[in-house]
Amino acid sequence: QSALTQPASVSGSPGQSITISCTGTSSDIGTYNYVSWYQQHPDRAPNLIIYDVTNRPSGISTRFSGSKSGNTASLTISGLQAEDEADYYCLSYTGSTTHVVFGGGTKLTVL
Amino acid sequence: QLQLQESGPGLVKPSETLSLTCSVSGGFISGANYYWGWIRQTPGKGLEWIGSIYYNGYSYYNPSLKSRVTISVDTSKNQFSLKLSSVTAVDTAVYYCATPGAAVGTRYFQYWGQGSLVTVSS
Repeated sequence: QSALTQPASVSGSPGQSITISCTGTSSDIGTYNYVSWYQQHPDRAPNLIIYDVTNRPSGISTRFSGSKSGNTASLTISGLQAEDEADYYCLSYTGSTTHVVFGGGTKLTVL
Repeated sequence: QLQLQESGPGLVKPSETLSLTCSVSGGFISGANYYWGWIRQTPGKGLEWIGSIYYNGYSYYNPSLKSRVTISVDTSKNQFSLKLSSVTAVDTAVYYCATPGAAVGTRYFQYWGQGSLVTVSS
């Protein structure tokens, strides 16, 4: 069960948009529309920001959006703000044997 | 609003069994048609799903840890627990309990505990 592949780091300036990719395989992201994204600030628990590829939980800013194409899911953050600086993780359902797998995480720096 | 809180020893000796409990408030495990899970985070490997359990005790585990993991539920205490046997230094991590808070299997985790750091050392 290999982790999903994310870039180690991305950066952007306030007001800009950035996209974080999450690459899996035809056994996980490519088959299931069950990708979720988590934001984690230092010494805090992860916080769900996107579920089922494109859905935002109540209270999550519309600046966060998700999408998927083939075996790759993406998280886009528009109108970057300083408070968006955090680590971001993707998670995909992988079927009834292995169930779920996380990405390795991406550190977002707001310049 | 569901709230989860981990508790247990912060230090475990190598070869011993790590034991953690997650106390749930704001809802009842027995009345909830959803799964309750454990996830850990190590500096080197990021987030790793350990396993999940349903209120009736049905559980499933990460294949890479399955031989050492037991997750159980105590509906009378509104708690669920994790046991990880034969620990080594690589099991040093922050352990989170989490749940989707909805009947969606393990597709995502919306509610998390604050995390419990467990260090494996003699």
